[in-house]
Amino acid sequence: DGGITQSPKYLFRKEGQNVTLSCEQNLNHDAMYWYRQDPGQGLRLIYYSQIVNDFQKGDIAEGYSVSREKKESFPLTVTSAQKNPTAFYLCASSIEGVLREAFFGQGTRLTVV
Amino acid sequence: DAKTTQPPSMDCAEGRAANLPCNHSTISGNEYVYWYRQIHSQGPQYIIHGLKNNETNEMASLIITEDRKSSTLILPHATLRDTAVYYCIVSGATNKLIFGTGTLLAVQP
Repeated sequence: DGGITQSPKYLFRKEGQNVTLSCEQNLNHDAMYWYRQDPGQGLRLIYYSQIVNDFQKGDIAEGYSVSREKKESFPLTVTSAQKNPTAFYLCASSIEGVLREAFFGQGTRLTVV
Repeated sequence: DAKTTQPPSMDCAEGRAANLPCNHSTISGNEYVYWYRQIHSQGPQYIIHGLKNNETNEMASLIITEDRKSSTLILPHATLRDTAVYYCIVSGATNKLIFGTGTLLAVQP
C-alpha cells in the first residue's frame, strides 16, 4: 500500500542530544513537509522540500535541520539548539503544487527530558 | 497566503448537518480554499478544496461566497467519528499549507 511512514511513534531523548526523526513515502511525491504541533495549537511549518537536494525554511526552522538526498526520504534532525523540542512532529508529502493531495504520516511524539 | 479565521469550537448533534464557517477576507484571485481535519493525535486528512464554485465529494460540501471572502464546510450527516479539529487553509502561489488553530467540532450523541 502507498503511504507515508514516520518512525518511531514515540521518542525520548535527554536534553542536549541531537535526534533524527524519520519520514519515508512511497507515493512518488516530489514535495515533502515537516510540521510541529504543540498541545492545543495548530500545525507550524518547520521545513519543506519541493524537489530532491533542495529545501526551504518554514516559519520555525531555528534549531532544526533537514536533508533530501532521496525522493522518498526527508529526515528531520532536532538539534540541541532547539530550545523547546518536546512536541508532536508530523511529516507530509504531496505532488508538487497539488496541495489537495497532501498526505500526512501518523506523527512522532518527541519528549526531551 | 491569506489568513483565515475560524471559531475555536462548535457542537453538533449526531445525524444533523455540521456547518463550519471560515473567513478569508484577504484571499486573492489565484488562492484556493482547502479543508483538512485532524482526529486526536493523528495526522491531518484532506477533505475538500475549491476556488470559486461550490464543491461536493463523498465526505463534505464546500460553499464559497460569491466575493470569496468566506466559506462553509458542510458535513451533511455528522457522526461521532467526525469529532475532530477542522482546518480551513488558503493557499496559492507559495504552495504551502499553513495551518491555523482550526475549529474543534464535537459531535454529541
